[in-house]
Amino acid sequence: SAVISQKPSRDICQRGTSLTIQCQVDSQVTMMFWYRQQPGQSLTLIATANQGSEATYESGFVIDKFPISRPNLTFSTLTVSNMSPEDSSIYLCSVLTGVEQYFGPGTRLTVT
Amino acid sequence: GIQVEQSPPDLILQEGANSTLRCNFSDSVNNLQWFHQNPWGQLINLFYIPSGTKQNGRLSATTVATERYSLLYISSSQTTDSGVYFCAVGPKTGGFKTIFGAGTRLFVKA
Repeated sequence: SAVISQKPSRDICQRGTSLTIQCQVDSQVTMMFWYRQQPGQSLTLIATANQGSEATYESGFVIDKFPISRPNLTFSTLTVSNMSPEDSSIYLCSVLTGVEQYFGPGTRLTVT
Repeated sequence: GIQVEQSPPDLILQEGANSTLRCNFSDSVNNLQWFHQNPWGQLINLFYIPSGTKQNGRLSATTVATERYSLLYISSSQTTDSGVYFCAVGPKTGGFKTIFGAGTRLFVKA
């Protein structure tokens, strides 16, 4: 298993600004993922973040809007850039350990 | 891409009742997990079950990979079972990606 923490747990931001979300894992993992969960919806994969390489983005998500860093095997950041109210969501960090996937507690973002 | 369908979308139970949640998927998968998202938003692993049957207390799950479905059974439901249950699959052709179904929203009444 893995214990994952995220910062901040929630934030309220003004449109046009950017927010960086941090994800810390208690063990070294190769595969890290960032998901978005819009209100009342399921989880959508934003990107896969592997240490030492560029993140791989899913269709509909671009690096300019959601830049990701993965400086080591226990840490990653996701930035939500130039925010609009449509970016109001829960952002979740996830890791794959062995065959099972684990999730952080999420960052609840509200854009006004 | 692979499609993951969960049913029912919503379910209301009286405490003590049993229920079955279903997950259908449209293609072969490497893995399948069931998660419970509690009312505070935390996703909790219930089962890793790409095939076969597993049980954990009042919960059990069965996946029939050849027929592309999985079932989650909740027996003697409790109010703390409320939340959203997600089925998530890893397609055989999708690398390490996990695709989530839309979820089943469960409310257990006292």
